[in-house]
Amino acid sequence: GQQLNQSPQSMFIQEGEDVSMNCTSSSIFNTWLWYKQEPGEGPVLLIALYKAGELTSNGRLTAQFGITRKDSFLNISASIPSDVGIYFCAGQLGYGANSKLTFGKGITLSVRP
Amino acid sequence: DADVTQTPRNRITKTGKRIMLECSQTKGHDRMYWYRQDPGLGLQLIYYSFDVKDINKGEISDGYSVSRQAQAKFSLSLESAIPNQTALYFCATSDPTRGYGYTFGSGTRLTVV
Repeated sequence: GQQLNQSPQSMFIQEGEDVSMNCTSSSIFNTWLWYKQEPGEGPVLLIALYKAGELTSNGRLTAQFGITRKDSFLNISASIPSDVGIYFCAGQLGYGANSKLTFGKGITLSVRP
Repeated sequence: DADVTQTPRNRITKTGKRIMLECSQTKGHDRMYWYRQDPGLGLQLIYYSFDVKDINKGEISDGYSVSRQAQAKFSLSLESAIPNQTALYFCATSDPTRGYGYTFGSGTRLTVV
């Protein structure tokens, strides 16, 4: 089945630093999404990307839909302590049965003050 | 009130007991999902339902069953709980006609002793 690869499993950065996360797949997707999960809560949608090459920002977050449709990245600029959490990428192929999301295993981000 | 509500938030149960986790939503979405989260393994799909009469197995349905009582309610049952079902369980909803992505509940932390 389809799989999304996120690595490393954990990242540790200093407050104020930028961080970039990649998500790759052996299959193409038509939609890429990035979610953040904070401790004790469910994942929350950060950014959705609908077109190959699309670059979208949400505050300090920027995400891009790779032109091959097999990858996406998320960049967080000027990190702050509340950026800690697990960041999941997800891909969606289409409608109907293909509309189910495929999730990566997530990257746990820690931010040192 | 939250869009997707899961009850209970935490539960400790004994091996062999039957337990039901409940999920209700106020988003009016037809599609509902149950996921299991284990550290380092990401989100694994247990069951999903595209409408009240449609129930489908996910990647890891063995040992679980579901019931879609209404558009707004989707419950997950463990008929005979075992310790390796200790995990965080999430319910999610979606409606592709209103955009992509899922809305997640806050999760149920289940411990089987």
